[in-house]
Amino acid sequence: AQKITQTQPGMFVQEKEAVTLDCTYDTSDPSYGLFWYKQPSSGEMIFLIYQGSYDQQNATEGRYSLNFQKARKSANLVISASQLGDSAMYFCAMREVYNAGNMLTFGGGTRLMVKP
Amino acid sequence: DVKVTQSSRYLVKRTGEKVFLECVQDMDHENMFWYRQDPGLGLRLIYFSYDVKMKEKGDIPEGYSVSREKKERFSLILESASTNQTSMYLCASRGQLEQYFGPGTRLTVT
Repeated sequence: AQKITQTQPGMFVQEKEAVTLDCTYDTSDPSYGLFWYKQPSSGEMIFLIYQGSYDQQNATEGRYSLNFQKARKSANLVISASQLGDSAMYFCAMREVYNAGNMLTFGGGTRLMVKP
Repeated sequence: DVKVTQSSRYLVKRTGEKVFLECVQDMDHENMFWYRQDPGLGLRLIYFSYDVKMKEKGDIPEGYSVSREKKERFSLILESASTNQTSMYLCASRGQLEQYFGPGTRLTVT
């Protein structure tokens, strides 16, 4: 079974509008962390935001926020006031505390395209 | 700033060649990782290392090996490259929280 599922292969959003990128996860580990990374066309992976499974509040970093719904096992990324530079691939990832090496498991990604 | 560098951005090799992909990090991180990235599949873990000379298989280790002789350097080796190993290869090292990634090597095997 997929541990991280991103159901939107591609999305368009109008510049200055908000957009939500979906991510659902599957784990039996009570302690885990969820990450979002951005990958522009240049290829580098840029860390955006982190949510711990025990965090009481949803994480926010500037225009990025994470809509964490633990019971539904979802960790959607919300980007407010989209900019042209937000056009990129976005990856959701999970780290389960009990896995050796602290590795990340990634979803298939969502390509976001911001229209001017 | 953490820096993770990879030896090549683009590489073209022939089937059967031995290929070395090098990765160096400058933050004294213990954990390092090699992923491959394919469209629609996201990043998949090939191997990781949690210390010098220590390595563990990831989800797709077949056809690959790794070497970690020094803490800052983690090498991925394709013993005999095949066309199905054409992909983007990303190296990462783990800091306190997140993983820091190198710029990637786009490998084409012909």
